[in-house]
Amino acid sequence: EAQVTQNPRYLITVTGKKLTVTCSQNMNHEYMSWYRQDPGLGLRQIYYSMNVEVTDKGDVPEGYKVSRKEKRNFPLILESPSPNQTSLYFCASSFSGTATGNTIYFGEGSWLTVV
Amino acid sequence: QQQVKQSPQSLIVQKGGISIINCAYENTAFDYFPWYQQFPGKGPALLIAIRPDVSEKKEGRFTISFNKSAKQFSLHIMDSQPGDSATYFCALPVKRGNNRLAFGKGNQVVVIP
Repeated sequence: EAQVTQNPRYLITVTGKKLTVTCSQNMNHEYMSWYRQDPGLGLRQIYYSMNVEVTDKGDVPEGYKVSRKEKRNFPLILESPSPNQTSLYFCASSFSGTATGNTIYFGEGSWLTVV
Repeated sequence: QQQVKQSPQSLIVQKGGISIINCAYENTAFDYFPWYQQFPGKGPALLIAIRPDVSEKKEGRFTISFNKSAKQFSLHIMDSQPGDSATYFCALPVKRGNNRLAFGKGNQVVVIP
């Protein structure tokens, strides 16, 4: 079954404590990305990756890091989380970026609360 | 930079009615216009998409229509059901050839029995 798997699904952490949200896809997709979803703001892209070792900033990259060492994995790293990073995070993948006809597959989401 | 604007922000429809939501965009250099559906607690999933060489595409109770001159594409949900209650998003590339995606803020559709 085609899947994008994120972990953890729910996390409460304290300000400044580094955390990593993992993301893995089993579809051999080249393109992976991270979004955050906040009430009234919709989905905003944080970072994306076109392939292994190729990453680029989205709309709201501040306070986040990513890495793409393997094609299937794309972890999101919060080096020093702050309360304004409290949000619902989605990892997504697609065959090849924003090209015509590409379906984007989303994970189930990770609820992150920073206190 | 591409801006994607969805309207109305929220919509309440009676069961059996028609839900109509719209997505307006600025940059026309694209050839794929998707709608994503998101249920509470779940990630968005592709619902239906259209290419601009056709003006309308129907899949079951869902119809997507494209108006190139108005730079807008719409989703019509016919015979709306409570199970259609969800948030709907359109998404387009920031610009042609760019792999950043711009999502609209979403249309929340509530279908009441």
